[in-house]
Order: sequence, then C-alpha cells, then structure tokens
Amino acid sequence: AQSVTQLGSHVSVSEGALVLLRCNYSSSVPPYLFWYVQYPNQGLQLLLKYTTGATLVKGINGFEAEFKKSETSFHLTKPSAHMSDAAEYFCAVRDPYGNKLVFGAGTILRVKS
Amino acid sequence: NAGVTQTPKFRILKIGQSMTLQCAQDMNHNYMYWYRQDPGMGLKLIYYSVGAGITDKGEVPNGYNVSRSTTEDFPLRLELAAPSQTSVYFCASSNKGNTEAFFGQGTRLTVV
Repeated sequence: AQSVTQLGSHVSVSEGALVLLRCNYSSSVPPYLFWYVQYPNQGLQLLLKYTTGATLVKGINGFEAEFKKSETSFHLTKPSAHMSDAAEYFCAVRDPYGNKLVFGAGTILRVKS
Repeated sequence: NAGVTQTPKFRILKIGQSMTLQCAQDMNHNYMYWYRQDPGMGLKLIYYSVGAGITDKGEVPNGYNVSRSTTEDFPLRLELAAPSQTSVYFCASSNKGNTEAFFGQGTRLTVV
C-alpha cells in the first residue's frame, strides 16, 4: 500500500527566499504524484502532478517539483516566496493500478515580510 | 461550471443523531471520494467509489456509510454521531487514475 511522508509540519521562509517542501512516498510501483494547496477555509486546489514522462514538473504560481525515483521523493520548490503563498500544502500519491488517492499530513507554509 | 458541490457547509449535531452529507459533481467523473481532515493529520480517506453501484472502504470507514446510485451523487451517511466525528469533510472526484481529483469546499461538522 502506498503512503506519503511530508517532512516538517510547519515551514517558515522570508519573502523572496527559496521555498522547499519535502515529500517522500512509499509505493511498490512508480506512482502518480500530486501537490495540492489549501487556503484557509477552502477546498484543495491542484498545484502540479507527475504521471509519466519528464521528471521535472511545473505547476501554477511558479511552483515546480521533481520526481526522483531513486530517492522516492517529490519535493516542491519555488525560487522566490510571495506573501500570497502562505497556505497549507499537501502531497498525494496514487498507485497506477489502484483506486485510492492517499495524502500526506500537510505542511503549513508561513511567509515572513 | 459547478464542479464538486457539497452541502451543507456547516452543521452541528448532537451525539447519537444522524445526518447525510451530500456531494454532487457535474464533470461525469467515475471516481469519487470522501475524506475527513483533522488538524495535523492531513486527509484521511473514508470511502471511495469507482462508478455507480461500486463503493469500497478507505482508511477510516467506521461510523460511516455511503451509496452511489448515480454517477453524479455520492452521499456520506453518519448513523450515530459521536464527538470523534467532529471534523471537516471533503468530497472529491476524478476521471481516472492519472488525473487530478477535484475537491468540494468542504462541510464543517461539529458533534456535541
């Protein structure tokens, strides 16, 4: 069964600094991987996804993530944080042969001015 | 362009009461999911469905029931509400495995 571990329940960065949110997965086969963002009192919105092909995936709002099979990782990055990036971020994994979409515990990103 | 619609948005229940959380999607998606979100715990899968008439348990199904009589609707039933079911509930749908899930705005449920 697949699982997701997000390292760091809270991450704080200064405005303009690099954002790095970590995600490691466990899956018996190469999975599909997703990053979602949740703003307060709202549902989840897709940032980006990896299914097949290019391992560096670009998403909305300047975010990108790289699938590294050897490290079983799918870390989310953004070169320069903006105040509007403050939110909770979730990594999710799906087994290509399964039906379940499994989420990590989430990382709350705080951006300091 | 409604997407995934959940009703109600807020609800307070007394212990032992029952209720149904409604979820409807207009994207003709086969897959539908119910999650609960608790602080620091992420989203836990309660039940999911891969098509009308087909449902299966997720990670935390106890105390809940679902049905899927149509492609569009996937209601979640709480039969005997307990304080441990106080949570935010999200419904989601997707087309197939390699596509993203679309989420509703959530239902905030408090059991007192």
